[in-house]
Amino acid sequence: DAGVIQSPRHEVTEMGQEVTLRCKPISGHDYLFWYRQTMMRGLELLIYFNNNVPIDDSGMPEDRFSAKMPNASFSTLKIQPSEPRDSAVYFCASSPQLGQGGYTFGSGTRLTVV
Amino acid sequence: GIQVEQSPPDLILQEGANSTLRCNFSDSVNNLQWFHQNPWGQLINLFYIPSGTKQNGRLSATTVATERYSLLYISSSQTTDSGVYFCAVESYDYKLSFGAGTTVTVRA
Repeated sequence: DAGVIQSPRHEVTEMGQEVTLRCKPISGHDYLFWYRQTMMRGLELLIYFNNNVPIDDSGMPEDRFSAKMPNASFSTLKIQPSEPRDSAVYFCASSPQLGQGGYTFGSGTRLTVV
Repeated sequence: GIQVEQSPPDLILQEGANSTLRCNFSDSVNNLQWFHQNPWGQLINLFYIPSGTKQNGRLSATTVATERYSLLYISSSQTTDSGVYFCAVESYDYKLSFGAGTTVTVRA
C-alpha cells in the first residue's frame, strides 16, 4: 500500500484565495482525520470521519474551514477565504478502527498564506 | 481536554548514548501512542501502548496507566533517531491529544 497520500506537498497562496487540500486514505481504513500543526499550538485535531461521515468537527477553527469525504478513497479540506494565520502544516491520517492505535499519517501539506 | 506534558523539551545525545523521554497525562485515557516526526516532517507511529511494556529494536516504551505516565527509551542512539518524539493520548471519545514533543538531536 502506498500509505496515506496528500496533495499538494506545498501550497503558497495569497490572502483571500480559496485553498483545497486533498487526501487519499489507506484502502480499508474506515477512519480519516485532519490535523493541523503549528509552532504555537502543536498538533490539533480538526475533524474526523467514519465511513465517509463527519463525526466530530469541533476542532475546525471557524466557518472558513470545511471538509468533505465524498467517497472512501478521497477527502478534501477547504479554506475560503484563506488568511495568513492559516499558515501551517496540515496532516491527514487514517486508521482501520478507533481505540487500537494503527494511525498512519500522510506526509502533510505545508500551507503558506501571504 | 486531557493535558499531555512531555519532558524534556530538548535532548542532545552523542551517538551510542541511551535516553529516556517522559509523557505525563492529566486524566484516564483509552490508549496512548508514541510517534516520531523525522526531520522531513513525516510522522511515524512507533508504539501503541495503553499499558505495560513493548520493545521494537532499540526502542522500548512503558506505560503505567494508573499513575498516568509513559516512558520511551532510546538505546544506543543513532543519528537517524533525530527528530521530534510525540506522545499522544486517546480519550474515551476517541480524540487524540498530542504533547508538545521532545526534540532529539543525535550527534555523530
